Amino acid sequence: LAKTTQPISMDSYEGQEVNITCSHNNIATNDYITWYQQFPSQGPRFIIQGYKTKVTNEVASLFIPADRKSSTLSLPRVSLSDTAVYYCLVGTLSGGYNKLIFGAGTRLAVHP
Amino acid sequence: NAGVTQTPKFRVLKTGQSMTLLCAQDMNHEYMYWYRQDPGMGLRLIHYSVGEGTTAKGEVPDGYNVSRLKKQNFLLGLESAAPSQTSVYFCASHMLQQETQYFGPGTRLLVL
Repeated sequence: LAKTTQPISMDSYEGQEVNITCSHNNIATNDYITWYQQFPSQGPRFIIQGYKTKVTNEVASLFIPADRKSSTLSLPRVSLSDTAVYYCLVGTLSGGYNKLIFGAGTRLAVHP
Repeated sequence: NAGVTQTPKFRVLKTGQSMTLLCAQDMNHEYMYWYRQDPGMGLRLIHYSVGEGTTAKGEVPDGYNVSRLKKQNFLLGLESAAPSQTSVYFCASHMLQQETQYFGPGTRLLVL
């Protein structure tokens, strides 16, 4: 199982770009990189997923270098509502069982 | 679509009591999961199911049982609740060959 390492917490201000890096040195060939967002008293919510290079959607971008041993979630122009815990997961849901591990995540605090 | 729903939202039990948590999804997903989340920590997998009538153990299965009699429902049972089972329980589901999980809103359980 691929272990991930990400910062415990980060602080930012409204309007800034936030980059959260996740290390996953033992990522396997079939593993995807998925980021979830969790607000207090809610279940995790999918943000973005990628396998290699760059992925962009309406809320975030995900940068993955060629060696895939790390990834960076980029949140453009954050607002107060982006204050949440962000989880980096590496693994695959295929094969009949769950190979994903949720770490402690990164607590992002956005200040006015 | 209601997505993934969980019943109840909150429950207080005394040590030794039993209860069943219900997870329901209306997305025709094959895979369903039960996680627990303790304060300041990520989610840990309790049990999962890859289809109707099948279940399997996850990372922390002791003290819990599950059943998947219908494709849309996944039940988590506590036969004899212990204070160590005080936690927030999340259910999740996804389609076959899909790499994104959809989470429910959670059930907060307090065992006294």
